[in-house]
Amino acid sequence: QSVLTQPPSASGTPGQRVTISCSGSRSNLKTNTVNWYQQLPGTAPKLLIYSNDQRPSGVSDRFSGSKSGTSSSLAISGLQSEDEADYYCAAWDDSLNGVVFGGGTKLTVL
Amino acid sequence: QVQLQESGPGLVKPSETLSLTCTVSGGSMNSYYWSWIRQPPGKGLEWIGYIYYSGSTKYNPSLKSRVIISVDTANTYFSLRLRSVTAADTAVYYCARDVRRGYFDYGMDVWGQGTTVTVSS
Repeated sequence: QSVLTQPPSASGTPGQRVTISCSGSRSNLKTNTVNWYQQLPGTAPKLLIYSNDQRPSGVSDRFSGSKSGTSSSLAISGLQSEDEADYYCAAWDDSLNGVVFGGGTKLTVL
Repeated sequence: QVQLQESGPGLVKPSETLSLTCTVSGGSMNSYYWSWIRQPPGKGLEWIGYIYYSGSTKYNPSLKSRVIISVDTANTYFSLRLRSVTAADTAVYYCARDVRRGYFDYGMDVWGQGTTVTVSS
């Protein structure tokens, strides 16, 4: 059971907009920022969004992040086949005094 | 640009100690945190712990009693030791650069390719 809760799967058709949620608590998402990672099949995770809504250089603006209270969302617009991957949210947890990850969401492009 | 490369044995016997090294190339280790993360087969990511370049550490409470992370900034590498391993420690182990400035968390922006460690006799 992960500290941050994500839906195990999500799907969409090419061109569609999809969102992936991440639910936490007062000790993590309420007080700390959230980061999102994309893991393509067979590869290492890649930082997609940091500090709730910031994109690292080189990340497509089709990806956007938001946070409100104890929840966060990752939105992917103009869905493409190469977006098919696992997506993880992560944040610092003040109670555990460490980094916690969501369980991951497998995105399928239909 | 900075690159990370994990190295170490791919097979460890139960009850023994898992030892991995992450070599940092293309940049300085100064002012960064350096993390270890693992991923059991078919499962999600688990943070193991990190070390600041100066040597201070934080560990996942669930692993704290078995983990030591150390750093050698002169030779630009950091290491993971996990003792008393069991089959549950079988995973792909990743090292990553973790960017934090005060209260600001900029995420783990550079990752190694990962190394598979199997615990089996």
